[in-house]
Amino acid sequence: ETGVTQSPTHLIKTRGQQVTLRCSSQSGHNTVSWYQQALGQGPQFIFQYYREEENGRGNFPPRFSGLQFPNYSSELNVNALELDDSALYLCASSHPGQRSDTQYFGPGTRLTVL
Amino acid sequence: GQQLNQSPQSMFIQEGEDVSMNCTSSSIFNTWLWYKQDPGEGPVLLIALYKAGELTSNGRLTAQFGITRKDSFLNISASIPSDVGIYFCAGQTGGGADGLTFGKGTHLIIQP
Repeated sequence: ETGVTQSPTHLIKTRGQQVTLRCSSQSGHNTVSWYQQALGQGPQFIFQYYREEENGRGNFPPRFSGLQFPNYSSELNVNALELDDSALYLCASSHPGQRSDTQYFGPGTRLTVL
Repeated sequence: GQQLNQSPQSMFIQEGEDVSMNCTSSSIFNTWLWYKQDPGEGPVLLIALYKAGELTSNGRLTAQFGITRKDSFLNISASIPSDVGIYFCAGQTGGGADGLTFGKGTHLIIQP
């Protein structure tokens, strides 16, 4: 059974650009959540996808958007990047046989915005 | 929004000592989770708690879901060097779609 994987591991962008981050959920996990972790802070919930639809969202602006595919993998898109978007972006998945709040995290994508 | 207060912010202990950290909330939580994060890695789930008063162990780790549903603690017994890292509490007030609310973490440093 493979765990949650994310790509790329590191990314450098400039202000105003757009970025797409990718996540493959753990085998059999159909719910994917995305979190932003600034340096020295705990992760902050961005949104959650279930059955290819967004079914929950944290306090993030619309320029943060996502997709979930039939194989449960997911993308996080961020438009009009700002310097404060520099962070570790974490993807987490949960299993349909368990509570959806029991989430397993991937290693993250480190995004640097210059 | 909900706030989780996690303490202490950092701990410097000797190998073999027991460790205790806790988390309090201004809101009632239905779930408490404890994670450990190593540098450059994602958080790893240690213990999940689902009922008020629940006490759960995972090896040398023990965690409890407070009776008031506004707090939780994590104990580590007989610490070893690989316990070094940042420990996060996380909670959820409603269903899974609300996402997890995290504390700011407790940085555990073990002196040989």
